[in-house]
Amino acid sequence: RKEVEQDPGPFNVPEGATVAFNCTYSNSASQSFFWYRQDCRKEPKLLMSVYSSGNEDGRFTAQLNRASQYISLLIRDSKLSDSATYLCVVARNDMRFGAGTRLTVKP
Amino acid sequence: DVKVTQSSRYLVKRTGEKVFLECVQDMDHENMFWYRQDPGLGLRLIYFSYDVKMKEKGDIPEGYSVSREKKERFSLILESASTNQTSMYLCASRTGNNEQFFGPGTRLTVL
Repeated sequence: RKEVEQDPGPFNVPEGATVAFNCTYSNSASQSFFWYRQDCRKEPKLLMSVYSSGNEDGRFTAQLNRASQYISLLIRDSKLSDSATYLCVVARNDMRFGAGTRLTVKP
Repeated sequence: DVKVTQSSRYLVKRTGEKVFLECVQDMDHENMFWYRQDPGLGLRLIYFSYDVKMKEKGDIPEGYSVSREKKERFSLILESASTNQTSMYLCASRTGNNEQFFGPGTRLTVL
């Protein structure tokens, strides 16, 4: 079993839609949690950290449930520019990535 | 801005060759990482280093070694390249609050 598992996708949604990604992790000792974004043929870049209390950054909302070992990302009012692969990341002394969920936002 | 650079964007090598992939970061980060990324498998951790001359195996260290002689530089070595090591290799360094910054990647093809 992979340490970090994500919805395989792909997700194809119209502009303006709300889309949610889910992620589960297996190691309860994981300390920090993140969502990264990776554009085609580019390196991953930090989208946002994920806190137990939940956090929001504009149209993006991240949630963490430590008891269920579950992380989510919600994108509201999706834009064409949101098209990318979204990577769930958990960290201890190392950092482990999910395989990613591909999102395509269509006009 | 943090800058992580990798020595080559594209590299073609032959089976059995020794391959060096270099990574340099300019922000004095202690932690550095090497991943490979393959379709459907995501990023898999090969090795990481939390200080000069320190290294830890990741999930897939077989066939690879690393060197960290200076804080800013973390090298990945393929002792004898094989075709199944054809992949995108990504280096990253990490801040104290766990944010990782990636280099642009090296696409290695082993013929």
